[in-house]
Amino acid sequence: GQSLEQPSEVTAVEGAIVQINCTYQTSGFYGLSWYQQHDGGAPTFLSYNALDGLEETGRFSSFLSRSDSYGYLLLQELQMKDSASYFCAVRVRAAGNKLTFGGGTRVLVKP
Amino acid sequence: DTGVSQNPRHKITKRGQNVTFRCDPISEHNRLYWYRQTLGQGPEFLTYFQNEAQLEKSRLLSDRFSAERPKGSFSTLEIQRTEQGDSAMYLCASSTGLAGGPRILNTQYFGPGTRLTVL
Repeated sequence: GQSLEQPSEVTAVEGAIVQINCTYQTSGFYGLSWYQQHDGGAPTFLSYNALDGLEETGRFSSFLSRSDSYGYLLLQELQMKDSASYFCAVRVRAAGNKLTFGGGTRVLVKP
Repeated sequence: DTGVSQNPRHKITKRGQNVTFRCDPISEHNRLYWYRQTLGQGPEFLTYFQNEAQLEKSRLLSDRFSAERPKGSFSTLEIQRTEQGDSAMYLCASSTGLAGGPRILNTQYFGPGTRLTVL
């Protein structure tokens, strides 16, 4: 099976930078995705990494190191609306297209 | 609205009753997924369709759960003889498997979910 670990909660102030780490254990790793979910809302896709390195999309960046089975999501210039839960999810080759999600990191942005 | 829609949004039922949920994916998406999410946890994979074919089903899914996608468009998820442990948010997602780069092919679009409460 697969397992993912990420911190349960992070608190930061507006304008700050937050890094959410995700370590995974799996065989046949294919890619790592990140999703954002506001309370009561649906998960929304943020980013996807299949190769080592950094992917930048606006204020959000995601990094992957396949050799370390590790990735992170970087949230820059934090805004109040970024208060949400963030999930890393792995896709493995043998599993078709299904995603296995981590337990999520709740980010609380304070003024 | 061209996003993923799910109905009903909320369902309250008594233990032992059957329930059925519907998911309408984004029209051009040929892949459809069902997940279950409980409070404070990440979504948990239930099953996956490519067009009308159910290609994968979670080993955690009991025989009380069944899903269909008869014409490769909308999908239904039925739970028979519901139990209190079935109480959760049931999420549907869709994606395209037809064309696009890695980011497009690996983006799943989630619906708002159906919240099931079993009394």
